[in-house]
Amino acid sequence: AQSVTQLDSQVPVFEEAPVELRCNYSSSVSVYLFWYVQYPNQGLQLLLKYLSGSTLVESINGFEAEFNKSQTSFHLRKPSVHISDTAEYFCAVSGEDDKIIFGKGTRLHILP
Amino acid sequence: GAVVSQHPSWVICKSGTSVKIECRSLDFQATTMFWYRQFPKQSLMLMATSNEGSKATYEQGVEKDKFLINHASLTLSTLTVTSAHPEDSSFYICSASGTSGSEIGQYFGPGTRLTVL
Repeated sequence: AQSVTQLDSQVPVFEEAPVELRCNYSSSVSVYLFWYVQYPNQGLQLLLKYLSGSTLVESINGFEAEFNKSQTSFHLRKPSVHISDTAEYFCAVSGEDDKIIFGKGTRLHILP
Repeated sequence: GAVVSQHPSWVICKSGTSVKIECRSLDFQATTMFWYRQFPKQSLMLMATSNEGSKATYEQGVEKDKFLINHASLTLSTLTVTSAHPEDSSFYICSASGTSGSEIGQYFGPGTRLTVL
């Protein structure tokens, strides 16, 4: 069975500071990894995903995540956050059956 | 890009009534659709997986007679909450798995907020 652990339920960070949202997964088979973002009162949006190939994946708005198989991690990073990044971020894992299992989410608070 | 719509976006109903939520893939064919529910400030919990033309597969603890899922075509799946009660109030989100253009992926709808009075 697959599972996802997001260790931090909330992360406060000052605007323009760097941020890392942690995600660890467990799976007995090959996995696909995702980060989704949910802005207040909105649905889920795919931020980035790792399927295969390069272990470093990037989004169009400056986020990146690195797949680390030995540490079973897929941490999300951004070098400089903006107030508009305030949202809930969900790490997720999927296997061959297409089922996506979500972590509990990390709420990113951007402080002025 | 791949678009998944849900209708209605929000619904308020009386306890004991049934509510139907539609999930449509607008520009691609979805071989598989998934239904999730999300309680306030919590994560998404997978309820069931539906494949076009076959019975849905429910996750452990989800009542299949309570949450009826129909996947009648490659672009439409419906979730009916039967005899709804206040504890069924939640945010219901569907996703559709398929190929949009050259990209294979799973695409999420905007969600339906159900409030049962």
